[in-house]
Amino acid sequence: DSGVTQTPKHLITATGQRVTLRCSPRSGDLSVYWYQQSLDQGLQFLIHYYNGEERAKGNILERFSAQQFPDLHSELNLSSLELGDSALYFCASSDGTSNQPQHFGDGTRLSIL
Amino acid sequence: LAKTTQPISMDSYEGQEVNITCSHNNIATNDYITWYQQFPSQGPRFIIQGYKTKVTNEVASLFIPADRKSSTLSLPRVSLSDTAVYYCLVGDRRAAGNKLTFGGGTRVLVKP
Repeated sequence: DSGVTQTPKHLITATGQRVTLRCSPRSGDLSVYWYQQSLDQGLQFLIHYYNGEERAKGNILERFSAQQFPDLHSELNLSSLELGDSALYFCASSDGTSNQPQHFGDGTRLSIL
Repeated sequence: LAKTTQPISMDSYEGQEVNITCSHNNIATNDYITWYQQFPSQGPRFIIQGYKTKVTNEVASLFIPADRKSSTLSLPRVSLSDTAVYYCLVGDRRAAGNKLTFGGGTRVLVKP
């Protein structure tokens, strides 16, 4: 158990819809990272938050947004969903802004019908 | 970010030692080398991290030669449950806003 909790585990929705994925980091971790993993693809970094502030953006679409709240949990919002957004979305946390080992949750599997 | 190259797949048998080599020719002075393991439909799990020479923990060893242009993850006496994808990553441990760049990884299949 990594200590990182992601909900929901599975999400099925339709094109054009909007969903919110939630992540609770390990106790004490201030950094939260979001990644996307499509079928048979590697993990793609989306965005990084540290103590409520955005620190880095990766290949995140404009239709996607994220935030980290004062209690350090984070949400990834995906809107105007397309079939190609179907993927596993992982959240990871670490104890700081440096490249300390990241601890990953078990992901949210998003299926767009 | 330093680019990494590792074999796409490797087969092994239970009880054998598995060595996965990762090339990172343009590794920077401040870069560390980190390995993750991923099972299907699970998040990657941190295995080991090192800067130079040899690092060992309860699950693996990491060998890094003096020029640091490659590294080798060694899994001693693998079992069927070690079947997974193994990712090598290189990055500046001090960098804020770290973006872990995962390559394709090495798919290890352990056979009975």
